[in-house]
Amino acid sequence: EAGVAQSPRYKIIEKRQSVAFWCNPISGHATLYWYQQILGQGPKLLIQFQNNGVVDDSQLPKDRFSAERLKGVDSTLKIQPAKLEDSAVYLCASRKPGLAKDTQYFGPGTRLTVL
Amino acid sequence: LAKTTQPISMDSYEGQEVNITCSHNNIATNDYITWYQQFPSQGPRFIIQGYKTKVTNEVASLFIPADRKSSTLSLPRVSLSDTAVYYCLVATNAGNNRKLIWGLGTSLAVNP
Repeated sequence: EAGVAQSPRYKIIEKRQSVAFWCNPISGHATLYWYQQILGQGPKLLIQFQNNGVVDDSQLPKDRFSAERLKGVDSTLKIQPAKLEDSAVYLCASRKPGLAKDTQYFGPGTRLTVL
Repeated sequence: LAKTTQPISMDSYEGQEVNITCSHNNIATNDYITWYQQFPSQGPRFIIQGYKTKVTNEVASLFIPADRKSSTLSLPRVSLSDTAVYYCLVATNAGNNRKLIWGLGTSLAVNP
């Protein structure tokens, strides 16, 4: 079974530029999560999708961050415009209904550096 | 929302048993305790989850006392490859949506 795929793995941009990340969850996983992980900290949930609907986006900075999962499969996370403090690893995770509670499968992440 | 407290770092040697204790004083009745492992440059990986007493799988054991205000992750006979950050999480139903609260984790260093 293929894992959660993310691209790109690394991205370097200048502040005020835009950037987009892509995630393809494990097949059959209805729930998809985007996390932000700053160096030395635990992951912070940005947004959670159930199929193509948003379940929780309470910690998403909506003035600059947006995410979509139009067909209920893969998802994109966008930052526009980026700030220096957005430098972090962006993790995508997915979960299949019926698994043990709170079992999330994570992708390798995209490391974003904002200069 | 329940929060967790765990040591920032721990050191061990190959072949030893490592116990990482996490406190969650305000855990709610329907909360589960979940542990994840994260290696550098990788996403976290689910290790084990429990509600009460003891849970064991091929990777670790999880001990939860009756009051559930703490839990201990036990890694038997660690090896160098167990060097990672270990997160203790309590999942809570916030507005009918389960949410994992991630702390700073415990950075475990296994020495030869």
